[in-house]
Amino acid sequence: EDQVTQSPEALRLQEGESSSLNCSYTVSGLRGLFWYRQDPGKGPEFLFTLYSAGEEKEKERLKATLTKKESFLHITAPKPEDSATYLCAVRADSSYKLIFGSGTRLLVRP
Amino acid sequence: GAVVSQHPSWVICKSGTSVKIECRSLDFQATTMFWYRQFPKQSLMLMATSNEGSKATYEQGVEKDKFLINHASLTLSTLTVTSAHPEDSSFYICSAHGQLLSYEQYFGPGTRLTVT
Repeated sequence: EDQVTQSPEALRLQEGESSSLNCSYTVSGLRGLFWYRQDPGKGPEFLFTLYSAGEEKEKERLKATLTKKESFLHITAPKPEDSATYLCAVRADSSYKLIFGSGTRLLVRP
Repeated sequence: GAVVSQHPSWVICKSGTSVKIECRSLDFQATTMFWYRQFPKQSLMLMATSNEGSKATYEQGVEKDKFLINHASLTLSTLTVTSAHPEDSSFYICSAHGQLLSYEQYFGPGTRLTVT
């Protein structure tokens, strides 16, 4: 069964304290791994798509990496405005559906 | 680019009534739209997948007669919650993807439904 597990469930950081969020997946045939940011009461905002092991993408303070079993979202020198829930999702071979993890709630304190 | 809108952003209705939520792709043609619901502090749960001009495909456990989905054009899908009950209160989010977007899904801002 296709499955996505995110850790930690919640993460508190001081402003400027870099860290990483993990997304482990088991899927029959990966057709893409997606990272989204979701603020309270809003829809998810697209961040990155990764397609193959070894691929990396960056956007401002965020960098996403992918291996055959997991993906990391690295946050460098975070700011309070980076506080949000970060969702990981995978698309498997068989359909266009996304399978979401439960998310990591990130709080960055000033 | 890749903007998806939803209307209304929030709605309150009485038990037993129906409510319609619209999802529009504003700057691209959406070959497929998806409908999710999300409970507080939980992740997104896919309800159904809809393709323009064809019947929606519902996930296991989702009542297709209760959650009516219509995908009439490449830019509009609607979700109608029929005979709503308080347990249908939730945050409903749509997403859309199109061939020109490498099948990345872009999400709407969500609709908060409260059934009293």
